[in-house]
Amino acid sequence: AQTVTQSQPEMSVQEAETVTLSCTYDTSESDYYLFWYKQPPSRQMILVIRQEAYKQQNATENRFSVNFQKAAKSFSLKISDSQLGDAAMYFCAYRDPNSGYALNFGKGTSLLVTP
Amino acid sequence: DSGVTQTPKHLITATGQRVTLRCSPRSGDLSVYWYQQSLDQGLQFLIQYYNGEERAKGNILERFSAQQFPDLHSELNLSSLELGDSALYFCASSVRTGASTDTQYFGPGTRLTVL
Repeated sequence: AQTVTQSQPEMSVQEAETVTLSCTYDTSESDYYLFWYKQPPSRQMILVIRQEAYKQQNATENRFSVNFQKAAKSFSLKISDSQLGDAAMYFCAYRDPNSGYALNFGKGTSLLVTP
Repeated sequence: DSGVTQTPKHLITATGQRVTLRCSPRSGDLSVYWYQQSLDQGLQFLIQYYNGEERAKGNILERFSAQQFPDLHSELNLSSLELGDSALYFCASSVRTGASTDTQYFGPGTRLTVL
């Protein structure tokens, strides 16, 4: 079974600084999708960024970017110029082609942003 | 606002009871996924429907069932409730299943408390 591991239960960053959240996954597939979702205190699940495994180029969305290392099965999220509104739980997810393309989530990283 | 709606927002009930959670997907989305978020198990995929048909099952208990209706809304039925069923239940929808543009958008969730 595919597993997603987020080894950092909590991270802290100062406003305007950069932070990187780690994620590793396990799969035998060659073509798949990876996602980062943000869950603020409101509990809403918000898509942050996605990466297609067959694309070499790392995805970017404004201040959010990923470092996708396919051979290492690593998918980290970099948040630049951190803002107070970035404080949330961040979940890494692998979309499983063998399970209706359902999302397999890691346990999450709680990000604290300090002024 | 993701465009996915879920009702009710909160539900408090007693052990042994049965409840129904409702989800309306985004306009045009044919696929609905149900997820459970609990402190013990994290975010887990339960079941997926596509255009009225069950497509994939995850860690769904036999006491739980779901269906998707012709108007594409979906209902998750939870019966013989136990304390451990207390969780946040999310519905997510996507246009299709597995397409390269397929991204799941989450509803706000239903918070179930079993007393």
